[in-house]
Amino acid sequence: GQSLEQPSEVTAVEGAIVQINCTYQTSGFYGLSWYQQHDGGAPTFLSYNALDGLEETGRFSSFLSRSDSYGYLLLQELQMKDSASYFCAVRDGWNRDDKIIFGKGTRLHILP
Amino acid sequence: EAQVTQNPRYLITVTGKKLTVTCSQNMNHEYMSWYRQDPGLGLRQIYYSMNVEVTDKGDVPEGYKVSRKEKRNFPLILESPSPNQTSLYFCATSGEGDNYGYTFGSGTRLTVV
Repeated sequence: GQSLEQPSEVTAVEGAIVQINCTYQTSGFYGLSWYQQHDGGAPTFLSYNALDGLEETGRFSSFLSRSDSYGYLLLQELQMKDSASYFCAVRDGWNRDDKIIFGKGTRLHILP
Repeated sequence: EAQVTQNPRYLITVTGKKLTVTCSQNMNHEYMSWYRQDPGLGLRQIYYSMNVEVTDKGDVPEGYKVSRKEKRNFPLILESPSPNQTSLYFCATSGEGDNYGYTFGSGTRLTVV
């Protein structure tokens, strides 16, 4: 069946670096995405990896290894405003219109 | 400004009273979808639509209906709401840009008593 696994919670210190892992099992694959959701808010799109390797966007980076069905989100220079839930998501198919499946989310706690 | 507008933001209703949650997008996207979010269960897809007059079931469609009569609107209809439909609902759209990632509406917190 289809599934995405990510840790339920991660705690890190302000200014540090944290990595949130995601492993997936789907019938197809059309890229791995990451979303951020603050309490009471809507998920917002952070990044997308279609090919193996690291994509960097400011303090956030995302990595993909298709052979391992694995990816991670790396957050550097953590700020208190980064306290949120982070979801990985995969399209369960080979087309851009295929259904997106979300992981259950990782709640990131940041300590001052 | 590109946006997805959901209404209402909050709704408390009684069991069995039909309701509609509206969703409108101004991005000219073909793909729209409804999700519900529950603690410990994450985001689960209810229905999706790949274009006007084309809709399909997601993972948890029971108790819901949708329609897509025009590109910009994708309302979610609960004909006879029940307490197990108490949840946080999100409408989302996807198109070119952001590698077909989702843009979500601000959410509708529904309570059925």
